[in-house]
Amino acid sequence: EDQVTQSPEALRLQEGESSSLNCSYTVSGLRGLFWYRQDPGKGPEFLFTLYSAGEEKEKERLKATLTKKESFLHITAPKPEDSATYLCALTPSQGGSEKLVFGKGTKLTVNP
Amino acid sequence: DAGVTQSPTHLIKTRGQHVTLRCSPISGHKSVSWYQQVLGQGPQFIFQYYEKEERGRGNFPDRFSARQFPNYSSELNVNALLLGDSALYLCASRRLFSGNEQFFGPGTRLTVL
Repeated sequence: EDQVTQSPEALRLQEGESSSLNCSYTVSGLRGLFWYRQDPGKGPEFLFTLYSAGEEKEKERLKATLTKKESFLHITAPKPEDSATYLCALTPSQGGSEKLVFGKGTKLTVNP
Repeated sequence: DAGVTQSPTHLIKTRGQHVTLRCSPISGHKSVSWYQQVLGQGPQFIFQYYEKEERGRGNFPDRFSARQFPNYSSELNVNALLLGDSALYLCASRRLFSGNEQFFGPGTRLTVL
């Protein structure tokens, strides 16, 4: 069964304190791995797509990386406005749909 | 370009009632998917529609149904509402042949009393 597990469930950082969020997955074939940011009561906001092991994507203070079993979202020198829940999701290559299988998310709080 | 829009934003229903949620995709996006997100969990896939045809269905009961219209907008219908149907319902659209990312709307918050 396709599965996504995110850790930690919650993370508190001081402003400027860099850290990483983990997304481990099991899937028979990977069409794509996605990172989203979600603010309370809002829809997820797309951040990155990764397709193959070794791939990296970067945007401002965020960098996403991918291995065959895990993805990491690295946050460098975070600011309070980076506080949100970060969701990891994948689309399996098997099956005809484009369904996203999500993890439960990591709730990040950045204190000033 | 305008993003994915959903209506209504909030809805309160009682058990046993029926509800219809609506979604308009980003202009040029022909694929629409629906997700259910309960508090503290990640979104769970319900349906995907492309060119008015169902292309995928998640593990939800037959009380859930959807359709897509010629203008690519979509409706999600839920019959015989249960307390456990209370959730944020999200719609996402994707432009085919241009990456696999899906773009989400703001969601409809459904409360079943």
